Amino acid sequence: EPEVTQTPSHQVTQMGQEVILRCVPISNHLYFYWYRQILGQKVEFLVSFYNNEISEKSEIFDDQFSVERPDGSNFTLKIRSTKLEDSAMYFCASRKTGLATDTQYFGPGTRLTVL
Amino acid sequence: GIQVEQSPPDLILQEGANSTLRCNFSDSVNNLQWFHQNPWGQLINLFYIPSGTKQNGRLSATTVATERYSLLYISSSQTTDSGVYFCAVGTYKYIFGTGTRLKVLA
Repeated sequence: EPEVTQTPSHQVTQMGQEVILRCVPISNHLYFYWYRQILGQKVEFLVSFYNNEISEKSEIFDDQFSVERPDGSNFTLKIRSTKLEDSAMYFCASRKTGLATDTQYFGPGTRLTVL
Repeated sequence: GIQVEQSPPDLILQEGANSTLRCNFSDSVNNLQWFHQNPWGQLINLFYIPSGTKQNGRLSATTVATERYSLLYISSSQTTDSGVYFCAVGTYKYIFGTGTRLKVLA
């Protein structure tokens, strides 16, 4: 069964550094998402992306964050200048169609630790 | 926005016991999924169940969309069932509940 993959599984960085989290969605999917989970809390929506544009973003997704689909397979989340509070688990998800009833498939997550 | 509440927040069981986890949501939705978050933090999809009933081994789920709730049943629990169970609902983006933390004791 096709899967969403994410790299790296764990990233440690210094405060103020830029990080790029990578995701490879399922190959024929068209809609992409990033979610975040701070340790011990619930998973929160960050951003959705379709046709090389952001479809929707949450209030968490401020100017420090950006998303990109640099080629036909990767979907990336960049944090320009990391803060301690960016430490969290980041999940990528993809969906095949724009139908409201279509399922989202989640990747295993990247644990980001900001020191 | 949609509110998603899960109960109970914490649950401790002896191995072999059965349990029911509940997810209430405040508005009509087109998608509902149940996830198990394992000790490594990975989200494991259990069920996609916007309505009706599904079963997979010892786990089953029922969603009554008209009454805006879903139930996850775990029968004959095992220590490997420990972790956090989340429901997520939505149409184009998911709103997650706060989760039920399950601990199964040997």
